[in-house]
Amino acid sequence: DAGVIQSPRHEVTEMGQEVTLRCKPISGHNSLFWYRQTMMRGLELLIYFNNNVPIDDSGMPEDRFSAKMPNASFSTLKIQPSEPRDSAVYFCASTIGLAGGSYNEQFFGPGTRLTVL
Amino acid sequence: RKEVEQDPGPFNVPEGATVAFNCTYSNSASQSFFWYRQDCRKEPKLLMSVYSSGNEDGRFTAQLNRASQYISLLIRDSKLSDSATYLCVVNLDGSGGYQKVTFGTGTKLQVIP
Repeated sequence: DAGVIQSPRHEVTEMGQEVTLRCKPISGHNSLFWYRQTMMRGLELLIYFNNNVPIDDSGMPEDRFSAKMPNASFSTLKIQPSEPRDSAVYFCASTIGLAGGSYNEQFFGPGTRLTVL
Repeated sequence: RKEVEQDPGPFNVPEGATVAFNCTYSNSASQSFFWYRQDCRKEPKLLMSVYSSGNEDGRFTAQLNRASQYISLLIRDSKLSDSATYLCVVNLDGSGGYQKVTFGTGTKLQVIP
């Protein structure tokens, strides 16, 4: 079975440009997470969806960031306009829906390495 | 205080050594705990869960101390292949029955021949 698929794997862009990152979760998983990882701040949760609905977006840094999940098999994270401080590795992860009192392993995609010049 | 704190390391240990990492968490209502492993330039992967009574998986032992609010990971007989960053994960019931999962920043382990 395919794991979590992310594209592109690498993105280099100039400040001010729009960046769109894509994620396809594992089939059957109904929770999807977007993370950002940097050396300084580690792995930060940006937003998570359950059954395509955003549940917690408190980690989204500012209005320049937006995320959508139009269906169970696809999500996007958009940065507009991008800034050099957005340079990081962006991971998407999926899991089977979280029920109260239990935790299911998150499966991560390979990440998108974003560089904003 | 950060919700989950780890010593970033690096921990440089010789092959065959025993090494231990701790991770502290701030919210006493945290419910479940895990260790993930992340290889250089790769994605994190689940290493093991941490149970209240402690648990072992081969050379790896995980412990939970609720009173002092920390979890630990012990690696015995270190192998070169154990070199990686180890991320502590803490899970808390969020609002509406959903989970709030927080990752630590990770502890880097380098096993030296």
